[in-house]
Amino acid sequence: DAKTTQPPSMDCAEGRAANLPCNHSTISGNEYVYWYRQIHSQGPQYIIHGLKNNETNEMASLIITEDRKSSTLILPHATLRDTAVYYCIVRVGTGYSTLTFGKGTMLLVSP
Amino acid sequence: SAVISQKPSRDICQRGTSLTIQCQVDSQVTMMFWYRQQPGQSLTLIATANQGSEATYESGFVIDKFPISRPNLTFSTLTVSNMSPEDSSIYLCSVAGTGNTIYFGEGSWLTVV
Repeated sequence: DAKTTQPPSMDCAEGRAANLPCNHSTISGNEYVYWYRQIHSQGPQYIIHGLKNNETNEMASLIITEDRKSSTLILPHATLRDTAVYYCIVRVGTGYSTLTFGKGTMLLVSP
Repeated sequence: SAVISQKPSRDICQRGTSLTIQCQVDSQVTMMFWYRQQPGQSLTLIATANQGSEATYESGFVIDKFPISRPNLTFSTLTVSNMSPEDSSIYLCSVAGTGNTIYFGEGSWLTVV
């Protein structure tokens, strides 16, 4: 699986949009971009994933650049409960492929 | 998504003993994975457990230390054998669910004293 690069930490004010960047310049054509988050003391929670088109669900939006070398996870209205470590992972979306976790980004949402 | 239950959620164990962690899924899944998360660290894959075959271990993890069972499509166990304080970690069960997306349980927090 391709390696990803994320900033170690970010801050966001409650109610504002949180934009979490991820670089994956060596991504292959069959690899998807997955985002997970881990709130302290809990198991990782799946957020969203995409191949090349932008994706949106009830939790977040995923914007993938046209060359697919980077992406941004957007939490449109961050709340205190969004404070967590966010992991950007690239993974082949089919077959028996696993998740390789990096260090992620620690997002701190403040009042 | 898949609902994954792990037992125990927490335990304090004596060094030299072994503990078996159970993972129950609410639907049949082919692929199950076991991860470890040491204090302050990210997640590391221990092994992949597919029903009907031997578990496949990642580099640095061996079957004698982390034996895994996968008796059916909804259940798996991970045993942490002959524990030492270095085994104090969160152990996480995960499965490949709908659309091949991987989902995680809440983890089992082990402290070895």
